[in-house]
Amino acid sequence: EVQLVESGGGLVQPGGSLKLSCAASGFTFNNHAMNWVRQAPGKGLEWVSTITGSGGAIYYADSVKGRFTISRDNSKNTLYMQVNSLRADDTAVYYCAIGRSPYGSYLDYWGLGTLVTVSS
Amino acid sequence: DIQMTQSPSTLSASVGDRVSITCRASQSMSSWLAWYQQKPGKAPKLLIYKASSLESGVPSRFSGSGSGTEFTLTISSLQPDDFATYYCQQYNSYPYTFGQGTKLEIK
Repeated sequence: EVQLVESGGGLVQPGGSLKLSCAASGFTFNNHAMNWVRQAPGKGLEWVSTITGSGGAIYYADSVKGRFTISRDNSKNTLYMQVNSLRADDTAVYYCAIGRSPYGSYLDYWGLGTLVTVSS
Repeated sequence: DIQMTQSPSTLSASVGDRVSITCRASQSMSSWLAWYQQKPGKAPKLLIYKASSLESGVPSRFSGSGSGTEFTLTISSLQPDDFATYYCQQYNSYPYTFGQGTKLEIK
């Protein structure tokens, strides 16, 4: 059974940092690109970042470029997102999601998400 | 960047109705479009990929069509479980983008 379990969210002050994790199981992790998608309270879905299966290519939304860093450890079947210089508009549920192919593609399974709240 | 515009934003319908949601892309993107369903407090669920391919386990009352810049999600006969928010997403090119969502409400 495919499982994605996000962790690392919480309450952080503006300008602060967090490291989000997504522990994956039930599929061949390095055969799939992995993604972070976020959803602000009461709002729609926003794609944040993708990392290919090998980790050789990385893509970011302009809204997070230079502040967020995606990475993966294929030996641990874990996806990460280092989030720095947080702002109030980064407040959201952060979902990790599996890409169908090693290079990207649609998101065929999502975790339950972890909530990041940026507030003083 | 490819912008995705969904319509309508809200749709009121009854059980048994046939409904359609449209997604328009700001530039041609072949058929690299997916549709997701999201219920309150839950993660999104993939319904359709490559514009018209039904994900395994998704009821056949869901269908997708279109290519290029205009795409449609159709539910042939609404069931109580279908009242949710629906999103389209293009995966033709980075940055991936979602439509703003369509909330399907019970009339």
